[in-house]
Amino acid sequence: DSGVTQTPKHLITATGQRVTLRCSPRSGDLSVYWYQQSLDQGLQFLIQYYNGEERAKGNILERFSAQQFPDLHSELNLSSLELGDSALYFCASSVVGTGANTGELFFGEGSRLTVL
Amino acid sequence: GDSVTQMEGPVTLSEEAFLTINCTYTATGYPSLFWYVQYPGEGLQLLLKATKADDKGSNKGFEATYRKETTSFHLEKGSVQVSDSAVYFCALSSGGSYIPTFGRGTSLIVHP
Repeated sequence: DSGVTQTPKHLITATGQRVTLRCSPRSGDLSVYWYQQSLDQGLQFLIQYYNGEERAKGNILERFSAQQFPDLHSELNLSSLELGDSALYFCASSVVGTGANTGELFFGEGSRLTVL
Repeated sequence: GDSVTQMEGPVTLSEEAFLTINCTYTATGYPSLFWYVQYPGEGLQLLLKATKADDKGSNKGFEATYRKETTSFHLEKGSVQVSDSAVYFCALSSGGSYIPTFGRGTSLIVHP
């Protein structure tokens, strides 16, 4: 158990819809990362938040957005869904900012999104 | 930009065989290097890491040595078990961003 919690584990929805994925980081971790894993693209970094602020952006579509709340949990919002958005979405957390971090991430079990 | 290249899978072995999964990287500066493992139905978890040249990371019988001269971080295990069947990801982080760049993953299948 990594200590990172993601909900829901599975989600099936239709094209054009909007969904929200939720992540609770490990206790004490200030940074949250979102990754998308698909068969053709591998593991793609989407976005990082640190202590409530956006820190870095990767290959995140404009239809997607995220935020980190004061209690450090994070949500990834996916809108106007397309068939190609079907993937496994991972949240990870780390202790960025303490000086002790060397890039190690702790991953949740993922949310599998299926768009029909 | 940073990148990681892994050998394509699947790698299929019999139990007790020797395992090597190749990983090479391109990065500016002196990255930290990682191997993560993803068991079926689970998230990625760190298997081992090395933070400077010539360091050897090891865990659960797996080893990898940080080779700066060949920009490689190959994963090895002397005797694999069925329970090692998983997808293995090589990754690096550099430049102070702490955002790892992952390879595409290599699936390992171990038969009894």
